[in-house]
Amino acid sequence: AQTVTQSQPEMSVQEAETVTLSCTYDTSESDYYLFWYKQPPSRQMILVIRQEAYKQQNATENRFSVNFQKAAKSFSLKISDSQLGDAAMYFCAYRSAETSGSRLTFGEGTQLTVNP
Amino acid sequence: ETGVTQTPRHLVMGMTNKKSLKCEQHLGHNAMYWYKQSAKKPLELMFVYNFKEQTENNSVPSRFSPECPNSSHLFLHLHTLQPEDSALYLCASSRFPGTSGGATPEQYFGPGTRLTVT
Repeated sequence: AQTVTQSQPEMSVQEAETVTLSCTYDTSESDYYLFWYKQPPSRQMILVIRQEAYKQQNATENRFSVNFQKAAKSFSLKISDSQLGDAAMYFCAYRSAETSGSRLTFGEGTQLTVNP
Repeated sequence: ETGVTQTPRHLVMGMTNKKSLKCEQHLGHNAMYWYKQSAKKPLELMFVYNFKEQTENNSVPSRFSPECPNSSHLFLHLHTLQPEDSALYLCASSRFPGTSGGATPEQYFGPGTRLTVT
């Protein structure tokens, strides 16, 4: 079974600075997807970024980028020019691309605080 | 607007009550999911429906009864719940692998129903 681990329960960053959230996962599969979701106080789960395991290039979405290290099974999220609206719980998630199922496995989450 | 709506947003019920949670997706997806989010715990997948057929039941107690009448609607019927069932219940949808239009691997979530069992 796949597992996802986020070792940082809480992180904080100054507005306009850069912060990196860590995620590691365990799988025996070679084809899969990784995601970062954001859950602000409204509790709405919002997709931030997606990475396909077969792609070597790291995904980027505006101020959000990932550092995907497949051999190390590491998938960190970098937030540049942090804004107050980035404050939220961030979840890393894994989904197999090899099976017919579509189960998402989530990490425990990292609570990000942005200080003005 | 994410295209996935849930009602009600908040629900307080006694242990002997029967209530239902509703989820509707407007994204043309064919897979729908129920998750439970408790404090200090990762999201727990409860049920998966693909084309109205239940494809996964993650050992959920029978006091939770899902229903998927079509690909756009998903219900979670609740009866004789326990206080430990108090949580945020999230619905999500996606396009299931192998279907036409290509599979989008990500799931889109509704805003959730905050359930309190007294």
